[in-house]
Amino acid sequence: KAGVTQTPRYLIKTRGQQVTLSCSPISGHRSVSWYQQTPGQGLQFLFEYFSETQRNKGNFPGRFSGRQFSNSRSEMNVSTLELGDSALYLCASSLGDREQFFGPGTRLTVL
Amino acid sequence: AQSVTQLGSHVSVSEGALVLLRCNYSSSVPPYLFWYVQYPNQGLQLLLKYTSAATLVKGINGFEAEFKKSETSFHLTKPSAHMSDAAEYFCAVSDRNNDMRFGAGTRLTVKP
Repeated sequence: KAGVTQTPRYLIKTRGQQVTLSCSPISGHRSVSWYQQTPGQGLQFLFEYFSETQRNKGNFPGRFSGRQFSNSRSEMNVSTLELGDSALYLCASSLGDREQFFGPGTRLTVL
Repeated sequence: AQSVTQLGSHVSVSEGALVLLRCNYSSSVPPYLFWYVQYPNQGLQLLLKYTSAATLVKGINGFEAEFKKSETSFHLTKPSAHMSDAAEYFCAVSDRNNDMRFGAGTRLTVKP
């Protein structure tokens, strides 16, 4: 069974731009969670989607948003990028039983 | 609210020595606890999980962890370190749905 895939793997943007990251979960998994990982703040929970509905949300500004499609694929969008948004963005999928499987991440660099 | 504290941001051991990575948790309900490993430029890989069954949990690559409710701990151990164990290790707690909170991570260095 294929694992969680994230595209693109690397991305370079400039301040003020917006970006969309994509995550394809393991087949059959209906839950997708997003995390931001930075050296200073560590791993921080962004949000979780289950069956196209946002079920949990972390403490991030409204510039960070997401959605989930009927095939469970998920996208995360960050608008008006700031330098501090440079991070590794990790996606994880789950059957809903709290065991999460992580993708390789998207490395976002904001210049 | 649930939270995890990992004691020691860096741990260094010699090859063949015992590995002990410490994790304490806080949760208002019986928690699910996890240890993940992250190699450079990769995502997180699950090492093991505690889900209220056996308190001693065995994982991959020879790692194991013991759930101690009285100490609110879930420390990760491995009897004999290998060079390939050098990585960053994260302890995580989940007390409902998929609201998972991670510790700050412990970077393990293995010296030859």
